[in-house]
Amino acid sequence: NAGVTQTPKFQVLKTGQSMTLQCAQDMNHEYMSWYRQDPGMGLRLIHYSVGAGITDQGEVPNGYNVSRSTTEDFPLRLLSAAPSQTSVYFCASSYSFAKGSQYFGPGTRLLVL
Amino acid sequence: TQLLEQSPQFLSIQEGENLTVYCNSSSVFSSLQWYRQEPGEGPVLLVTVVTGGEVKKLKRLTFQFGDARKDSSLHITAAQPGDTGLYLCAGALDFGNEKLTFGTGTRLTIIP
Repeated sequence: NAGVTQTPKFQVLKTGQSMTLQCAQDMNHEYMSWYRQDPGMGLRLIHYSVGAGITDQGEVPNGYNVSRSTTEDFPLRLLSAAPSQTSVYFCASSYSFAKGSQYFGPGTRLLVL
Repeated sequence: TQLLEQSPQFLSIQEGENLTVYCNSSSVFSSLQWYRQEPGEGPVLLVTVVTGGEVKKLKRLTFQFGDARKDSSLHITAAQPGDTGLYLCAGALDFGNEKLTFGTGTRLTIIP
């Protein structure tokens, strides 16, 4: 099993550009989430999904879109990148948010100039 | 305002010493998890506690969930360089909605 994979590992964008961060898991987990990690602020939930076709907003959803067409994939789209979106992005999957382990991907480090 | 406050934010101690880090909130959590994160990697789950007053041990690590389910602590005995990392607590606020809220983290460095 590959677990949770994320691509790319690093990305530099100019303000206003759009891009998609890819996330895939091979553990047949229903729950998937996107977090951003900034210094001194821990992990903040952007969007999450409780199953294919179902998504919802987290704590900091503005500027991001998600979709969940399959159980395996949960891409995160930045519509018009801003410097405030410079961060490290983690995708996670689990069979339950609270009672089971969230398995995290290796992260995507994004710099918006 | 951060829902889960972790203290200390940074801790640097000598190998062999004991330490305790804390995770505090004014809110009640249905469950609480502790993760460790190493540089360039995602967090990895250490433990989940679900019952007020619960104590769990993982080798030299002891986790405690407060009686009122508002706080938790992580105690490490005889710290080793391999314990170095960012320790994050994460709580599920609502019993029906299980989204996790992460704390700010404690960055631990064990000096050989």
